[in-house]
Amino acid sequence: QQPVQSPQAVILREGEDAVINCSSSKALYSVHWYRQKHGEAPVFLMILLKGGEQKGHDKISASFNEKKQQSSLYLTASQLSYSGTYFCGTETPGGSNYKLTFGKGTLLTVNP
Amino acid sequence: SAVISQKPSRDICQRGTSLTIQCQVDSQVTMMFWYRQQPGQSLTLIATANQGSEATYESGFVIDKFPISRPNLTFSTLTVSNMSPEDSSIYLCSVARDGTYEQYFGPGTRLTVT
Repeated sequence: QQPVQSPQAVILREGEDAVINCSSSKALYSVHWYRQKHGEAPVFLMILLKGGEQKGHDKISASFNEKKQQSSLYLTASQLSYSGTYFCGTETPGGSNYKLTFGKGTLLTVNP
Repeated sequence: SAVISQKPSRDICQRGTSLTIQCQVDSQVTMMFWYRQQPGQSLTLIATANQGSEATYESGFVIDKFPISRPNLTFSTLTVSNMSPEDSSIYLCSVARDGTYEQYFGPGTRLTVT
Protein backbone atom coordinates (compact mmCIF):
# COMPACT_ATOMS: atom_id res chain seq x y z
CA GLN A 1 0.00 0.00 0.00
CA GLN A 2 1.48 3.32 -1.08
CA PRO A 3 2.04 5.81 1.76
CA VAL A 4 0.33 9.17 1.48
CA GLN A 5 2.47 12.28 1.51
CA SER A 6 1.28 15.78 2.28
CA PRO A 7 1.46 18.43 1.11
CA GLN A 8 1.92 17.64 -2.58
CA ALA A 9 3.89 20.82 -3.06
CA VAL A 10 5.19 23.68 -0.97
CA ILE A 11 6.91 26.95 -1.84
CA LEU A 12 9.15 28.64 0.70
CA ARG A 13 11.33 31.66 0.94
CA GLU A 14 14.88 31.03 2.04
CA GLY A 15 15.02 30.77 5.83
CA GLU A 16 11.46 29.52 6.29
CA ASP A 17 10.50 26.17 7.78
CA ALA A 18 8.50 23.30 6.30
CA VAL A 19 7.02 20.02 7.43
CA ILE A 20 6.34 17.08 5.12
CA ASN A 21 4.16 14.25 6.34
CA CYS A 22 4.02 10.60 5.37
CA SER A 23 1.25 8.34 6.58
CA SER A 24 0.40 4.70 6.05
CA SER A 25 -2.72 2.62 6.44
CA LYS A 26 -0.56 -0.32 7.44
CA ALA A 27 1.78 -0.88 10.36
CA LEU A 28 5.28 0.33 9.59
CA TYR A 29 8.61 -1.25 10.35
CA SER A 30 10.68 1.64 9.11
CA VAL A 31 10.43 4.91 7.22
CA HIS A 32 13.07 6.19 4.81
CA TRP A 33 13.38 9.72 3.44
CA TYR A 34 14.95 10.68 0.12
CA ARG A 35 15.40 13.90 -1.83
CA GLN A 36 15.51 13.98 -5.61
CA LYS A 37 16.56 16.99 -7.60
CA HIS A 38 15.34 17.42 -11.14
CA GLY A 39 17.13 15.08 -13.52
CA GLU A 40 19.09 13.39 -10.75
CA ALA A 41 18.84 10.20 -8.74
CA PRO A 42 17.14 10.13 -5.35
CA VAL A 43 19.55 10.76 -2.49
CA PHE A 44 19.23 9.04 0.87
CA LEU A 45 18.52 11.39 3.81
CA MET A 46 17.71 9.19 6.78
CA ILE A 47 16.02 6.07 8.11
CA LEU A 48 13.77 5.89 11.14
CA LEU A 49 13.64 2.38 12.53
CA LYS A 50 11.85 2.56 15.82
CA GLY A 51 8.61 3.99 16.97
CA GLY A 52 9.15 7.45 18.34
CA GLU A 53 12.62 7.67 16.87
CA GLN A 54 13.80 11.08 15.83
CA LYS A 55 16.84 11.85 13.76
CA GLY A 56 18.49 14.96 12.52
CA HIS A 57 21.01 15.94 9.92
CA ASP A 58 22.09 19.56 9.65
CA LYS A 59 18.78 21.45 9.71
CA ILE A 60 16.74 18.49 8.46
CA SER A 61 15.19 16.18 11.02
CA ALA A 62 12.45 13.59 11.13
CA SER A 63 10.20 11.80 13.56
CA PHE A 64 8.42 8.47 13.41
CA ASN A 65 5.18 7.88 15.28
CA GLU A 66 4.74 4.14 15.09
CA LYS A 67 1.35 4.22 16.77
CA LYS A 68 -0.05 6.71 14.27
CA GLN A 69 1.77 4.96 11.40
CA GLN A 70 3.24 8.20 10.22
CA SER A 71 6.47 10.10 9.89
CA SER A 72 7.23 13.78 9.49
CA LEU A 73 10.24 15.46 7.91
CA TYR A 74 11.17 18.86 9.30
CA LEU A 75 13.21 21.36 7.30
CA THR A 76 14.22 24.40 9.31
CA ALA A 77 15.79 27.63 8.07
CA SER A 78 15.49 26.31 4.52
CA GLN A 79 18.27 26.86 2.04
CA LEU A 80 18.09 27.08 -1.75
CA SER A 81 19.80 23.69 -1.89
CA TYR A 82 16.80 22.09 -0.15
CA SER A 83 14.71 22.44 -3.30
CA GLY A 84 13.65 19.15 -4.82
CA THR A 85 11.12 16.38 -4.48
CA TYR A 86 11.03 14.57 -1.17
CA PHE A 87 9.93 10.95 -1.07
CA CYS A 88 9.17 8.79 1.90
CA GLY A 89 9.63 5.07 1.51
CA THR A 90 7.97 2.70 3.93
CA GLU A 91 8.82 -0.83 4.93
CA THR A 92 5.99 -2.91 6.31
CA PRO A 93 6.46 -6.08 8.35
CA GLY A 94 5.39 -9.48 7.18
CA GLY A 95 7.02 -9.68 3.78
CA SER A 96 9.59 -12.31 2.98
CA ASN A 97 11.95 -9.79 1.39
CA TYR A 98 12.98 -6.31 2.36
CA LYS A 99 11.48 -3.68 0.08
CA LEU A 100 10.28 -0.08 0.16
CA THR A 101 7.05 1.42 -1.12
CA PHE A 102 7.43 5.07 -2.01
CA GLY A 103 4.91 7.88 -1.67
CA LYS A 104 4.08 10.18 -4.57
CA GLY A 105 6.48 12.81 -3.36
CA THR A 106 6.37 16.40 -2.13
CA LEU A 107 7.82 19.08 -4.39
CA LEU A 108 9.64 21.66 -2.31
CA THR A 109 10.69 24.93 -3.90
CA VAL A 110 12.86 27.36 -1.97
CA ASN A 111 13.07 30.84 -3.44
CA PRO A 112 15.57 33.58 -2.54
CA SER B 1 27.49 5.19 0.69
CA ALA B 2 27.87 3.34 -2.60
CA VAL B 3 28.83 4.58 -6.05
CA ILE B 4 26.56 3.16 -8.72
CA SER B 5 26.85 3.50 -12.47
CA GLN B 6 24.32 2.59 -15.13
CA LYS B 7 24.67 2.02 -18.84
CA PRO B 8 23.30 3.35 -21.07
CA SER B 9 22.33 6.69 -19.59
CA ARG B 10 19.65 7.09 -22.23
CA ASP B 11 18.44 5.36 -25.35
CA ILE B 12 15.79 5.66 -28.00
CA CYS B 13 14.52 2.29 -29.16
CA GLN B 14 12.03 1.01 -31.67
CA ARG B 15 8.88 -0.78 -30.72
CA GLY B 16 9.34 -4.56 -30.50
CA THR B 17 13.04 -4.49 -29.70
CA SER B 18 14.79 -5.19 -26.37
CA LEU B 19 17.24 -3.16 -24.32
CA THR B 20 19.55 -4.39 -21.59
CA ILE B 21 20.47 -1.94 -18.85
CA GLN B 22 23.60 -2.54 -16.81
CA CYS B 23 24.15 -1.58 -13.19
CA GLN B 24 27.61 -1.62 -11.61
CA VAL B 25 28.34 -0.97 -7.92
CA ASP B 26 31.72 -0.05 -6.47
CA SER B 27 31.33 -2.42 -3.50
CA GLN B 28 29.80 -5.80 -2.80
CA VAL B 29 26.15 -5.67 -1.79
CA THR B 30 23.60 -8.39 -1.33
CA MET B 31 20.39 -6.49 -2.09
CA MET B 32 19.83 -4.76 -5.39
CA PHE B 33 16.61 -3.33 -6.75
CA TRP B 34 15.23 -2.14 -10.07
CA TYR B 35 12.74 0.72 -10.16
CA ARG B 36 10.79 2.55 -12.82
CA GLN B 37 10.00 6.24 -12.59
CA GLN B 38 7.93 8.32 -14.95
CA PRO B 39 9.08 11.97 -15.01
CA GLY B 40 7.54 13.79 -12.07
CA GLN B 41 6.15 10.59 -10.60
CA SER B 42 6.96 8.22 -7.77
CA LEU B 43 9.36 5.30 -7.75
CA THR B 44 7.80 1.95 -8.62
CA LEU B 45 9.64 -1.21 -7.66
CA ILE B 46 9.98 -3.66 -10.53
CA ALA B 47 11.92 -6.41 -8.80
CA THR B 48 14.41 -7.28 -6.11
CA ALA B 49 17.59 -8.96 -7.33
CA ASN B 50 19.49 -10.50 -4.45
CA GLN B 51 22.64 -12.34 -5.36
CA GLY B 52 22.27 -16.07 -5.01
CA SER B 53 18.53 -16.21 -5.51
CA GLU B 54 15.99 -15.70 -8.25
CA ALA B 55 14.71 -12.19 -8.73
CA THR B 56 11.44 -11.39 -6.99
CA TYR B 57 8.99 -9.44 -9.14
CA GLU B 58 6.32 -7.05 -7.94
CA SER B 59 2.71 -7.22 -9.01
CA GLY B 60 2.36 -6.09 -12.59
CA PHE B 61 5.89 -7.02 -13.62
CA VAL B 62 6.82 -10.41 -15.08
CA ILE B 63 10.09 -12.15 -15.79
CA ASP B 64 9.37 -12.62 -19.49
CA LYS B 65 9.05 -8.86 -19.93
CA PHE B 66 11.79 -7.77 -17.50
CA PRO B 67 14.38 -10.55 -17.17
CA ILE B 68 17.06 -9.77 -14.59
CA SER B 69 20.49 -11.22 -14.07
CA ARG B 70 22.60 -10.89 -10.92
CA PRO B 71 25.82 -12.80 -11.62
CA ASN B 72 27.81 -11.38 -8.69
CA LEU B 73 27.67 -8.96 -5.77
CA THR B 74 28.59 -5.87 -7.81
CA PHE B 75 26.65 -6.21 -11.05
CA SER B 76 23.14 -6.67 -12.39
CA THR B 77 21.26 -6.26 -15.65
CA LEU B 78 17.64 -5.53 -16.42
CA THR B 79 16.29 -6.26 -19.88
CA VAL B 80 13.18 -4.55 -21.17
CA SER B 81 11.82 -6.96 -23.77
CA ASN B 82 9.51 -6.49 -26.72
CA MET B 83 9.24 -2.81 -25.95
CA SER B 84 6.19 -0.63 -26.52
CA PRO B 85 5.81 3.14 -26.07
CA GLU B 86 4.31 2.42 -22.61
CA ASP B 87 7.76 1.25 -21.52
CA SER B 88 9.16 4.74 -21.99
CA SER B 89 10.39 5.72 -18.56
CA ILE B 90 13.44 6.17 -16.37
CA TYR B 91 14.84 2.92 -15.01
CA LEU B 92 16.92 3.07 -11.83
CA CYS B 93 18.88 0.47 -10.00
CA SER B 94 19.55 0.81 -6.32
CA VAL B 95 21.40 -1.09 -3.64
CA ALA B 96 20.75 -1.46 0.06
CA ARG B 97 23.72 -1.45 2.39
CA ASP B 98 23.99 -4.72 4.25
CA GLY B 99 22.88 -4.20 7.82
CA THR B 100 21.62 -0.62 7.59
CA TYR B 101 19.23 -0.92 4.61
CA GLU B 102 20.08 2.56 3.41
CA GLN B 103 19.31 2.60 -0.31
CA TYR B 104 21.54 4.27 -2.86
CA PHE B 105 20.40 4.89 -6.40
CA GLY B 106 22.14 4.84 -9.72
CA PRO B 107 21.80 7.82 -12.08
CA GLY B 108 19.08 6.11 -14.11
CA THR B 109 18.55 5.12 -17.72
CA ARG B 110 16.10 7.27 -19.66
CA LEU B 111 14.35 5.05 -22.18
CA THR B 112 12.19 6.32 -25.02
CA VAL B 113 10.35 3.82 -27.19
CA THR B 114 9.08 5.00 -30.57
